[in-house]
Amino acid sequence: EPEVTQTPSHQVTQMGQEVILRCVPISNHLYFYWYRQILGQKVEFLVSFYNNEISEKSEIFDDQFSVERPDGSNFTLKIRSTKLEDSAMYFCASSIDSSENIQYFGAGTRLSVL
Amino acid sequence: RKEVEQDPGPFNVPEGATVAFNCTYSNSASQSFFWYRQDCRKEPKLLMSVYSSGNEDGRFTAQLNRASQYISLLIRDSKLSDSATYLCVVSDFSGNTPLVFGKGTRLSVIA
Repeated sequence: EPEVTQTPSHQVTQMGQEVILRCVPISNHLYFYWYRQILGQKVEFLVSFYNNEISEKSEIFDDQFSVERPDGSNFTLKIRSTKLEDSAMYFCASSIDSSENIQYFGAGTRLSVL
Repeated sequence: RKEVEQDPGPFNVPEGATVAFNCTYSNSASQSFFWYRQDCRKEPKLLMSVYSSGNEDGRFTAQLNRASQYISLLIRDSKLSDSATYLCVVSDFSGNTPLVFGKGTRLSVIA
């Protein structure tokens, strides 16, 4: 069964450092998303991406964050100058079309900012 | 602000029990409705979409009441493997719109 893959599974970084979280969406999917989940809290939308540009972003997705699709398969989330409060699970998701908006999630990257 | 509210839980039930979860959503423009399941420290996985007419998938039945902005999930004959957090999720229909998640209701099925 096709799946969304994310790497690394766990990223530890020092406050102020830059991190890049990587995702390979399901191959025939067209829409890509990043969500985050702080421990014990709900899953929150960060950004959606379609046709090589951002479709929508939340208030969480400030200038510290950026997304890129550098090639035909990868979808990345970059966090510049990480803060302690960026520690969370980051989930990538993808969907094939918008008729039902069914989004499939990767296993996530656990980001720990020390 | 778009919000999804769920029963706080946790629900601790014996195997074989029937359990019901409820959810309300604030955005009347919401068009797509789902139940996802999330195991501890894992990703959300789609359990089922929820349709206006209600729908059933094996032991799971979902209902939607648009007028009351209310969604429910019924699990019959609970199994140990049903233990997880159940997430109520809504979105607008217009394109690849963000999913709005509830905080989830934790279910523990006990032998």
